[in-house]
Amino acid sequence: QVQLVESGGGVVQPGRSLRLSCAASGFTFSSYGMHWVRQAPGKGLEWVAVISYDGSNKYYADSVKGRFTTSRDNSKNTLYLQMNSLRAEDTAVYYCAKEGHGAYYYGSGSYPGGYWGQGTLVTVSS
Amino acid sequence: DIQMTQSPSSLSASVGDRVTITCQASQDISNDLNWYQQKPGKAPKLLIYDASNLETGVPSRFSGSGSGTDFTFTISSLQPEDSATYYCQQYDNLPVTFGGGTKVEIK
Repeated sequence: QVQLVESGGGVVQPGRSLRLSCAASGFTFSSYGMHWVRQAPGKGLEWVAVISYDGSNKYYADSVKGRFTTSRDNSKNTLYLQMNSLRAEDTAVYYCAKEGHGAYYYGSGSYPGGYWGQGTLVTVSS
Repeated sequence: DIQMTQSPSSLSASVGDRVTITCQASQDISNDLNWYQQKPGKAPKLLIYDASNLETGVPSRFSGSGSGTDFTFTISSLQPEDSATYYCQQYDNLPVTFGGGTKVEIK
């Protein structure tokens, strides 16, 4: 069965960096785009980024553009989110999610589908 | 970016009640809309995709309708386990955007 497990969260000071990982299993990871979605404590869902199945295309929310970078290692079935210049407002649970539109899909119409990880909490605080 | 306006932000209803949540997009998104359910401390769960299609394994008391800019999510007969927050999400264009959520409580 599809399993997504995030790791790497923790407490970090403003301005510092953190890298999240998402280990995937139960499906052909290299055939699917992947998304990051976050949720600040007590708040709603905010989409963060998407990466295409081969890593060649990426799209970011304006709130993280230029600070966050998503990447993937298909040989390790792992997705990454490198977060730099962290701010207090980046405090959230970060989820990875499998592309819902189908294999090899990227672009308009892409969405986080029916498989999400359990989330990892990032707290940005001095 | 496409803005999604969801209402109400919260509601309280009794077991067996019919519950309706609406979502309005700031521009025409065809039927590129999903509905998610989220319980405290858990990841969101996809219930409805393409505005009206029930995800596999989701009870038939959940349904969705609409196209263009106006969408509706309905629970036909509210059950205790339906206590959760529900979100609409558009995927017509990147960035994907979510509605603000509707917290459903059981009276």
